[in-house]
Amino acid sequence: QKEVEQNSGPLSVPEGAIASLNCTYSDRGSQSFFWYRQYSGKSPELIMFIYSNGDKEDGRFTAQLNKASQYVSLLIRDSQPSDSATYLCAVNGDYGGSQGNLIFGKGTKLSVKP
Amino acid sequence: DAGITQSPRHKVTETGTPVTLRCHQTENHRYMYWYRQDPGHGLRLIHYSYGVKDTDKGEVSDGYSVSRSKTEDFLLTLESATSSQTSVYFCAISPTAGGGYEQYFGPGTRLTVT
Repeated sequence: QKEVEQNSGPLSVPEGAIASLNCTYSDRGSQSFFWYRQYSGKSPELIMFIYSNGDKEDGRFTAQLNKASQYVSLLIRDSQPSDSATYLCAVNGDYGGSQGNLIFGKGTKLSVKP
Repeated sequence: DAGITQSPRHKVTETGTPVTLRCHQTENHRYMYWYRQDPGHGLRLIHYSYGVKDTDKGEVSDGYSVSRSKTEDFLLTLESATSSQTSVYFCAISPTAGGGYEQYFGPGTRLTVT
């Protein structure tokens, strides 16, 4: 059973600080890694994704991959109260032979305190 | 929401009744997915479709069936609803499994089975 593990949190950081979110994955063959943000009562929103060949920075967000240790991290710089949400990590999986299917972690709840 | 609508958005139904949820997309994406999201379990794949009339099972497919007669519509049917199917249901679409596999989510349907 392929798995994606996340600390459920809550992770609490002060406004302006760097928030660091992590997830580990079990399948060494995974090639694509995704971070979604989900506000309470809303649907998941794709923040960014990276491939196995490198990290990515987009504005205040940076996604990093450590293939050797099989974990992915999301750094949020200059955290804002509006960043308070649950962050879902997802990795491409293999349901029914389709590598396009994603396996989701249960999410980490982030709280940014003003 | 990337051109995805779900209907109904909320539904309350009684145990044993059939229920159909609809996902409609205007993006002409090939891949469509149905997930359920429950506290403590995260997002779990129910069924997915990789083309018109092409569907396959996901992680939690028991008690659910799907149909896709047109590119833009993906229907999820609960043949005889049970209380364990009370959940929030999300549809997602993906342009191709040959790319980054990124998925975009619809607004969700909150289903309550009494």
